[in-house]
Amino acid sequence: EPEVTQTPSHQVTQMGQEVILRCVPISNHLYFYWYRQILGQKVEFLVSFYNNEISEKSEIFDDQFSVERPDGSNFTLKIRSTKLEDSAMYFCASQGQANQPQHFGDGTRLSIL
Amino acid sequence: DAKTTQPPSMDCAEGRAANLPCNHSTISGNEYVYWYRQIHSQGPQYIIHGLKNNETNEMASLIITEDRKSSTLILPHATLRDTAVYYCIVRVVGANSKLTFGKGITLSVRP
Repeated sequence: EPEVTQTPSHQVTQMGQEVILRCVPISNHLYFYWYRQILGQKVEFLVSFYNNEISEKSEIFDDQFSVERPDGSNFTLKIRSTKLEDSAMYFCASQGQANQPQHFGDGTRLSIL
Repeated sequence: DAKTTQPPSMDCAEGRAANLPCNHSTISGNEYVYWYRQIHSQGPQYIIHGLKNNETNEMASLIITEDRKSSTLILPHATLRDTAVYYCIVRVVGANSKLTFGKGITLSVRP
């Protein structure tokens, strides 16, 4: 069964450094998402992306965050200058057609030191 | 904020049916009911969704009350691997609407 893959599984970065989290969505999916989950807390929506544009973003997704689909297969989340509070699990999700379910990857654990 | 309320936890015996309740009394006509689960810290896994009618797939059944204000996810024969946090989510009908997760219900399946 096709799946969303995320790399790396664990990323450790110094505060203030840039980090790029990578996702390979399910082939032929059209809609893409990033969510995050701080340890012990709820899964939170960050951003949705369709047709090479951001469709919706949350208050968390400030100017330090950006997303890109640089080629036909990857979907990336960049954090320009990481803060301690960015430490979390980051989940990528993709969706085939409108109103279909989102399918999630197993996440990248981001640890900011 | 999540538009659903779920009990914090429940357990069931292995091999028995697990019935997970969810209240969504403020659901609108243009909102689906979705269920996901999360095992340990893995990514949320899609289970099932419905709008008005009851739904069944290879994983579970979804029973939605006629007034749509509540629903029940049924795992017909729970196994130890079904131990997880289960999220009931109301999602707006729309091309790429977001999922708003609550705290979910922790299901513990005992041997």
